[in-house]
Amino acid sequence: SAVISQKPSRDICQRGTSLTIQCQVDSQVTMMFWYRQQPGQSLTLIATANQGSEATYESGFVIDKFPISRPNLTFSTLTVSNMSPEDSSIYLCSVEATDTQYFGPGTRLTVL
Amino acid sequence: AQSVTQPDIHITVSEGASLELRCNYSYGATPYLFWYVQSPGQGLQLLLKYFSGDTLVQGIKGFEAEFKRSQSSFNLRKPSVHWSDAAEYFCAVGPSNDYKLSFGAGTTVTVRA
Repeated sequence: SAVISQKPSRDICQRGTSLTIQCQVDSQVTMMFWYRQQPGQSLTLIATANQGSEATYESGFVIDKFPISRPNLTFSTLTVSNMSPEDSSIYLCSVEATDTQYFGPGTRLTVL
Repeated sequence: AQSVTQPDIHITVSEGASLELRCNYSYGATPYLFWYVQSPGQGLQLLLKYFSGDTLVQGIKGFEAEFKRSQSSFNLRKPSVHWSDAAEYFCAVGPSNDYKLSFGAGTTVTVRA
């Protein structure tokens, strides 16, 4: 398994601003994923982030809104840009290890 | 395309009673199947997974799940529920080649004393 931490754990932001979420894993991993969980909903994959290549975004998500960095094999960031109240969600990162995804604790974002 | 259906949105069970959560999947080949649990305010914790082999899989916290190919199901069970099992449970399916997961809508479990 893998131990994953996220910062911040929660934040309250004003509309129009941006927030960068950090994801740190305790071992080197090739594949990292970013998910959004809207209130009362299931998880939706935003993008896959592999080290050394551009992130691959799922339908409905674009790089301008959710830029992702993956500078090394243990770290990634997701930025939520130009936020609106509709971006209020839990954002989770996960990593693939032994054919299994392991999740971080999530970042709870509220946009006013 | 892969998809997951969890027919039960909310289940209430008495402490000490048995629990079964249903999961049906749609996938063209042999899927990788997972159950995760999310306690309030927490991330997702892996309960168990099925890749191949024995169709009855044992997981953590006393949970087990059975893969039934003929029914496209992967139901989760626990013989005796504890109050700490109150949480949201997600079934997920994925292929082996890109590790992307599709999640069901989730089942909320409430445990009454």
